[in-house]
Amino acid sequence: QSALTQPATVSGSPGQSITISCTGSSSDVGRYNLVSWYQQHPGKAPKVIIYEGTKRPSGLSNRFSGSKSGNTASLTISGLQAEDEGDYYCCSPGSSDSMIFGGGTKLTVL
Amino acid sequence: QLHLQESGPGLLKPSETLSLTCSVSGDSVSNDNYYWGWIRQPPGKGLEWLGSVYFRGTTYYNPSLKSRVAISRDTSREQFSLKLNSVTAADTAVYYCARHDGSREHFDSWGQGTLVTVSS
Repeated sequence: QSALTQPATVSGSPGQSITISCTGSSSDVGRYNLVSWYQQHPGKAPKVIIYEGTKRPSGLSNRFSGSKSGNTASLTISGLQAEDEGDYYCCSPGSSDSMIFGGGTKLTVL
Repeated sequence: QLHLQESGPGLLKPSETLSLTCSVSGDSVSNDNYYWGWIRQPPGKGLEWLGSVYFRGTTYYNPSLKSRVAISRDTSREQFSLKLNSVTAADTAVYYCARHDGSREHFDSWGQGTLVTVSS
């Protein structure tokens, strides 16, 4: 199984919106509505911000939203804030009861 | 409140076996709503799922590591463990344990991670 494909870097100014894509195949992203997204700050453990493609954990800002079209899932962050800077990873179940992560995207808030 | 804590040696020599334990508090590794998994992250690189264990003891592994990895759980101690044999420098990484929501397929709680370095 191959890692899901994410852009290496994304940037935006405070207040703007950005979108991070996550491309897989019909065996993983395209097959299930179960993509999750994780935010990771330097030296910290990842934290789930989206699960089941579009759902947010309780208490998480509604500035984070998820969507999917075909074999590509997307994470949108609206109203960018300085604290959103960090690394973002997508994850999907794959074939053979596996879990596959994306390569990660570094978000820079300008 | 759920808390996961990894423990184990931080330095190994090539060909040795990596052994890590994750201690769980605030939940039970016997909870049939969840799996318990291991994920690693080489320095400066992305996340890689290693495998997960279900409350019945059923295990699921990353196909690329399946021949070297084993995950088990100890219900009496509320712990689950990772063993990775024949390690090389490529196995140097921060290793995280996490609770894996098996129905919604995501990792909803993570340990802080522990760095394991493989070096001669």
